[in-house]
Amino acid sequence: GAVVSQHPSWVICKSGTSVKIECRSLDFQATTMFWYRQFPKQSLMLMATSNEGSKATYEQGVEKDKFLINHASLTLSTLTVTSAHPEDSSFYICSAARPGTTYNEQFFGPGTRLTVL
Amino acid sequence: AQSVAQPEDQVNVAEGNPLTVKCTYSVSGNPYLFWYVQYPNRGLQFLLKYITGDNLVKGSYGFEAEFNKSQTSFHLKKPSALVSDSALYFCAVRKGSSNTGKLIFGQGTTLQVKP
Repeated sequence: GAVVSQHPSWVICKSGTSVKIECRSLDFQATTMFWYRQFPKQSLMLMATSNEGSKATYEQGVEKDKFLINHASLTLSTLTVTSAHPEDSSFYICSAARPGTTYNEQFFGPGTRLTVL
Repeated sequence: AQSVAQPEDQVNVAEGNPLTVKCTYSVSGNPYLFWYVQYPNRGLQFLLKYITGDNLVKGSYGFEAEFNKSQTSFHLKKPSALVSDSALYFCAVRKGSSNTGKLIFGQGTTLQVKP
């Protein structure tokens, strides 16, 4: 199978602090990872596409300086929410594209619940 | 531009009855279509996909979906619903076979199966 993990699964932080979320592909190498944000009972909104060894591609309206993405290796991408505020509270989900399949199938992590007080 | 529509926010069905969760899409070229299920506070679990071939696709947990090109639809179905099927279901579309193809998700449909 193809397993993607996220750490932490939940985090509570104070307003103004920074939070780092890790996304790991455990049994395959992923040149491309995706970060999504999901509000309660709403759909997933793609935030950015993360490519190993290069800068992330952000979707329109997503602040690059606030949501820092680093894809330093083929199995790890990190999302850092800088100077977090209560409006950043959300469920963050990553996915990793597995090369070699006919369409680079995406496998999703279990998500990280961020609560900013 | 690609888009996916799930016209129903919620679908209610009695256990043992057939269920349908609707999805329509808009994409130029050949669509890659997916269904995912999400349980509370969990990530997405893959159910099934349509890439090419037979229009009727069978997936996990007894679910199936039918690709209808003329109606641009990809409705999710199951002959006999279980209470444990209650969850949030997402339809997604991806344009072609791009190595960096982004998934576009529908709004999601909450399926409620009552005993």
